[in-house]
Amino acid sequence: EADIYQTPRYLVIGTGKKITLECSQTMGHDKMYWYQQDPGMELHLIHYSYGVNSTEKGDLSSESTVSRIRTEHFPLTLESARPSHTSQYLCASSEGRTILETQYFGPGTRLLVL
Amino acid sequence: QKEVEQDPGPLSVPEGAIVSLNCTYSNSAFQYFMWYRQYSRKGPELLMYTYSSGNKEDGRFTAQVDKSSKYISLFIRDSQPSDSATYLCAMYFGSARQLTFGSGTQLTVLP
Repeated sequence: EADIYQTPRYLVIGTGKKITLECSQTMGHDKMYWYQQDPGMELHLIHYSYGVNSTEKGDLSSESTVSRIRTEHFPLTLESARPSHTSQYLCASSEGRTILETQYFGPGTRLLVL
Repeated sequence: QKEVEQDPGPLSVPEGAIVSLNCTYSNSAFQYFMWYRQYSRKGPELLMYTYSSGNKEDGRFTAQVDKSSKYISLFIRDSQPSDSATYLCAMYFGSARQLTFGSGTQLTVLP
């Protein structure tokens, strides 16, 4: 079982609020990812990190930001939440040292912005 | 056009049936192919991983890759109610190392 955790699991919040979604892993993985998943739609990569102090934007444009100050921690922040940010956010990590890109996913955070 | 196409279903089968799940892709550079299983309100978990064309078997699951047709399949034999989940195909090529996912097929196995 993957040791990757996300909090909160569910969040209902009003428009304009600042929110931070937490993700941490205890596997010592170098690479971490944030995906956005809407019902019946594919996972879209919004941010990724190949190590400490390394962050990149993914294929899907997002108003969120991320930081990677510690290997195990990869929080995602929305400065001002909007209803269009309502979605499920999935965090993942992978070892990143071999060609085999096995990503381990957290349980996700379901965000509802009113 | 999406790089990876997957029939979203939903697909309902009786317990014990053989299930066939499929994805097609357009980018011939894809080299590595995966199937993830996602239970309701959980994150995806890796089920099968294949590299080359051909079949790979793991218990009741068989992953098949046909690179010439740009087509991959997952077969589930003797399906069980516990197999009820959304199945996502994913793929990447070596230099990219970023996964491209299908939209998932929702499967229900009825007891």
